[in-house]
Amino acid sequence: AQTVTQSQPEMSVQEAETVTLSCTYDTSESDYYLFWYKQPPSRQMILVIRQEAYKQQNATENRFSVNFQKAAKSFSLKISDSQLGDAAMYFCAYRSDWVQGAQKLVFGQGTRLTINP
Amino acid sequence: NAGVTQTPKFRILKIGQSMTLQCTQDMNHNYMYWYRQDPGMGLKLIYYSVGAGITDKGEVPNGYNVSRSTTEDFPLRLELAAPSQTSVYFCASSRPTDTQYFGPGTRLTVL
Repeated sequence: AQTVTQSQPEMSVQEAETVTLSCTYDTSESDYYLFWYKQPPSRQMILVIRQEAYKQQNATENRFSVNFQKAAKSFSLKISDSQLGDAAMYFCAYRSDWVQGAQKLVFGQGTRLTINP
Repeated sequence: NAGVTQTPKFRILKIGQSMTLQCTQDMNHNYMYWYRQDPGMGLKLIYYSVGAGITDKGEVPNGYNVSRSTTEDFPLRLELAAPSQTSVYFCASSRPTDTQYFGPGTRLTVL
């Protein structure tokens, strides 16, 4: 079974600075997807960024980028120019590329990010 | 386009009571999911469905039931509520191999 580990329960960063959230995962599959979801106090789960394992290029969405290291099974999220609205819980998640079956998301425990003004 | 909607937003149940959490999506997604999120934890899959009439268990199905009579709706039934079912419940939907989109969640407390 796949597992996802986020080793940083809490992180804080000064506004406008850069922060990196860590995520490692364990799988025997070669094709899969990795995600970062943001959960603000409203509880809504918001997709931040997605990475396909077969793509060598790291995904980027505006101020958010990932460092995907497939051999090391590492998937970190970098937030540049941090803004107060980035404060939230961030969850790393894994999903199999297997078409049949659940395609369930396996989530890490989350990292609570605080932005200091 | 409303996306995934869930009702109610909040609910308090007494031990032994039953209730149904409603979930509706208007994106014509075949796949629908129910997750629960316990305090300070990530989400865990309860049940999922790959289409109308087809459902299957996830990681934590005990104490829950689901049905899928239409593409749009995927209700989650709690029978004989227990304090261990106090959690936030999320419904999600997707196309096969595509990103899952989540509803706003239902906060359930069982006292």
